[in-house]
Amino acid sequence: QSALTQPASVSGSPGQSITISCTGTSSDVGTYSQVSWYQQYPGKAPRLMLFGVSKRPSGISDRFSGSKSGNTASLTISGLQAEDEANYFCCSYAGDTTSWLFGGGTKVTVL
Amino acid sequence: EVQLVQSGAEVKQSGDSLRISCKASGYSFTTYWIGWVRQMPGKALEWMGIIYPGDSATRDSPSLLGQVTMSVDKSTNTAYLQWSSLKASDTAVYYCARYDSGYEYLDHWGQGTLVTVSS
Repeated sequence: QSALTQPASVSGSPGQSITISCTGTSSDVGTYSQVSWYQQYPGKAPRLMLFGVSKRPSGISDRFSGSKSGNTASLTISGLQAEDEANYFCCSYAGDTTSWLFGGGTKVTVL
Repeated sequence: EVQLVQSGAEVKQSGDSLRISCKASGYSFTTYWIGWVRQMPGKALEWMGIIYPGDSATRDSPSLLGQVTMSVDKSTNTAYLQWSSLKASDTAVYYCARYDSGYEYLDHWGQGTLVTVSS
């Protein structure tokens, strides 16, 4: 099964809001609420930002929010800051056979 | 504090065997699954599979089925990923992470182990 589809890059100015989409199919994102998002700086391990589509782990800023509509999940970063410049990966559960799928990743650039 | 500490970088030849480790601390090791994720150079993350330290049950990603073996040692709170015959295409950073089986996410990650395989 193919990876989830994310835009290669998204950019915004400090203080602006940006949204990263993550498009799957009815076999993964469209069926399951187990969608998570990870932030990764170059050369570093990923960090969990959201799980269960829109839930934030302890310590994650409320500037990060998530939603889902149909086969597409989204991560929104509001009040964009320089420290948000990183790669972001979505992930969805896809059932017992395929199990899990990551997106191809989106590079966020703060202008 | 939950911590996952992985073994150091490895440089191997094609055909070599290898085992890398992931030592957990700060939580009950046998009650959370451990997941393994591969990241080839400049590429996206890929699920490899998960293992439950309580009984060593595993679930492999279909795309990587049979290429690697996951195991654990409960006595040392350590998870392992093992190859019997490496290929150049195994060159990647491998991450272990604690896995939540309810919402299916990885909440605490190791620092990663770079495996370089030369042909």
